[in-house]
Amino acid sequence: SQTIHQWPATLVQPVGSPLSLECTVEGTSNPNLYWYRQAAGRGLQLLFYSVGIGQISSEVPQNLSASRPQDRQFILSSKKLLLSDSGFYLCAWRARDLYNSPLHFGNGTRLTVT
Amino acid sequence: AQTVTQSQPEMSVQEAETVTLSCTYDTSESDYYLFWYKQPPSRQMILVIRQEAYKQQNATENRFSVNFQKAAKSFSLKISDSQLGDAAMYFCAYRSGGATNKLIFGTGTLLAVQP
Repeated sequence: SQTIHQWPATLVQPVGSPLSLECTVEGTSNPNLYWYRQAAGRGLQLLFYSVGIGQISSEVPQNLSASRPQDRQFILSSKKLLLSDSGFYLCAWRARDLYNSPLHFGNGTRLTVT
Repeated sequence: AQTVTQSQPEMSVQEAETVTLSCTYDTSESDYYLFWYKQPPSRQMILVIRQEAYKQQNATENRFSVNFQKAAKSFSLKISDSQLGDAAMYFCAYRSGGATNKLIFGTGTLLAVQP
């Protein structure tokens, strides 16, 4: 069966520090991968998605970047965090070859920028 | 661009009763998919139910069913025999059938279940 791992679960970082959140998927190949952010009491905002190694689409211009160095690895990064980067970050994957496949989410990372 | 609207920020239901959560969407596409996700206090996103736009029959998963009105661009979720464990934030989501594969979420409805 497929599983998605996302870490760390919780992170507290000072303003101006770098960020690296990692997400890996097991049990599937060639997944579509996604990073979402959820601000407190708000809906989910799509940040980045990837349909293949090295292919990244950005949805919202911002302080963050994403990379996909391997087929099942998706990394969210920042060189210098802002207070506004605080939130709950969710990684997700979807089977590319199944037309009606849903998104499967990781457990999320709660990021607090102080 | 596609949008998803959930007009009920909060809802409440008595245990064992039925509740309906509303969702409308805006799209010019004919091929798309609709989903309801549940987010309990643990904040894990759990798929509740899905609907293909080309299917006229409403999807059903145990106590959960949808009322899909394609012409009205409406996709409501009905929870029957509500249980305490149903208390969560519920998100409606839209995905294009095209190559973009993006899932667009509504702002969510917080459902409380009263014992």
